Amino acid sequence: DIQMTQSPSTLSASVGDRVTITCRASQSITTWLAWYQLKPGAAPKLLIYKASSLEDGVPSRFSGRGSGTEFTLTISSLQPDDYATYYCQHNRFPGLTFGPGTKVTIK
Amino acid sequence: EVQVVESGGGVVQPGRSLRLSCETSGFTFGDYAMSWFRQAPGKGLEWVGLIRSNAYNGATEYAASVKGRFSISREDSKSIAYLQMSSLKKEDTAVYFCSRAYVVFWLGEFGYYFDFWGQGARVTVSS
Repeated sequence: DIQMTQSPSTLSASVGDRVTITCRASQSITTWLAWYQLKPGAAPKLLIYKASSLEDGVPSRFSGRGSGTEFTLTISSLQPDDYATYYCQHNRFPGLTFGPGTKVTIK
Repeated sequence: EVQVVESGGGVVQPGRSLRLSCETSGFTFGDYAMSWFRQAPGKGLEWVGLIRSNAYNGATEYAASVKGRFSISREDSKSIAYLQMSSLKKEDTAVYFCSRAYVVFWLGEFGYYFDFWGQGARVTVSS
């Protein structure tokens, strides 16, 4: 299976900061990548699919870029509601593999 | 409004079985694949399995960690998906999530995005 890694594992930032999370695949996945947001006790939320397409209803401060093996999720201006853990996921079989997650905390 | 609600979680002894249900509304259930995921305590998200729509014969796929022990089924008339878990192990302890799968066919390949999720059902495997 393709392995996914993320960096950093934790990130401390203030409201209004620009935040970037990196996801890397062990081999090329073209643009078969999604980003999800997970908060404790809540349903996971799809943010980005096909590496750069914004899911309906997701604020435009979220954006995704990349192809091949390196991808980024950027939050242009961090809001209080954005403190959460973010996961990238390869969207094809085998494995439908997630990265280990990046926790965004309050600075 | 699309809704996804998991139920059936609880405490179960190792080696026993448990069935989770995923009740949905707000979309034509039979047109979509459905998938299960889990998050063990202190760990990240893990895909568990997927069942395709009946247009694709309801074919299933499973993660290696649960293959042969877990099975997914669907009841389109009730808009419900099920996760039957057997021979449970302590390492199966997790919150289990159900999600609708949005299938994309692009450049000859199928990809799966998970656009509506439930809030999860907690399963604890303990003696």
